[in-house]
Amino acid sequence: DIQMTQSPSSLSASVGDRVTITCRASQGINNYLAWFQQKPGKAPKSLIYAASSLLSGVPSRFSGSGSGTDFTLTISSLQPEDFATYYCQQYDSYPLDFGGGTKVEIK
Amino acid sequence: EVQLVESGGGLVQAGGSLRLSCAVSGFTFSDHYMDWVRLAPGKGLEWVARSRNKARSYTTEYAASVKGRFTVSRDDSNKSLYLQMNSLETEDTAVYYCVRVLTGHNYPFDYWGQGTLVTVSS
Repeated sequence: DIQMTQSPSSLSASVGDRVTITCRASQGINNYLAWFQQKPGKAPKSLIYAASSLLSGVPSRFSGSGSGTDFTLTISSLQPEDFATYYCQQYDSYPLDFGGGTKVEIK
Repeated sequence: EVQLVESGGGLVQAGGSLRLSCAVSGFTFSDHYMDWVRLAPGKGLEWVARSRNKARSYTTEYAASVKGRFTVSRDDSNKSLYLQMNSLETEDTAVYYCVRVLTGHNYPFDYWGQGTLVTVSS
């Protein structure tokens, strides 16, 4: 199995801040890396696939980068609706493992 | 508009069974792979199972934690996805989400249902 390690596990930030979350795979995943946002009591929302491709309707302040085993999700200017937990996921091979999540809280 | 609506969750005793359903609309169900993902209390997201489409002979994949106990199936004529869960364990307590998989691009997720809660008591 491929292990997905996210960091940090939580962070505090203010509206307008630039936020970066990292995700490391235990082996190469051919850039088959996705990012998701989940708010309490709500369904997850897909944000990014193929490491850097935004899904339709996702605000442009979200961006993804990286290759090989190291990837990042960046929120260029944090908005009130962005406070949530973010997960990365590899979909290169089964099982389709997720990272442990990063909780973005209000400072 | 793409919609996925799960149902069938509830309270069940350990060792029991439950069948979840996911009814979809707004897209051509038969074209897409479909997955189940769960979120246990206080834990992170966990992928559960995949159902491929007719073009891939409706083949399936499972997480090790559910293999041999859970079965994913689909009915393209009724635009529905199912998850038959047998020999349930307390560790299976979670919200279960139905997820649409994008065609191509090595099949990432795109749309999620609102989830259905499964509680397994000891």
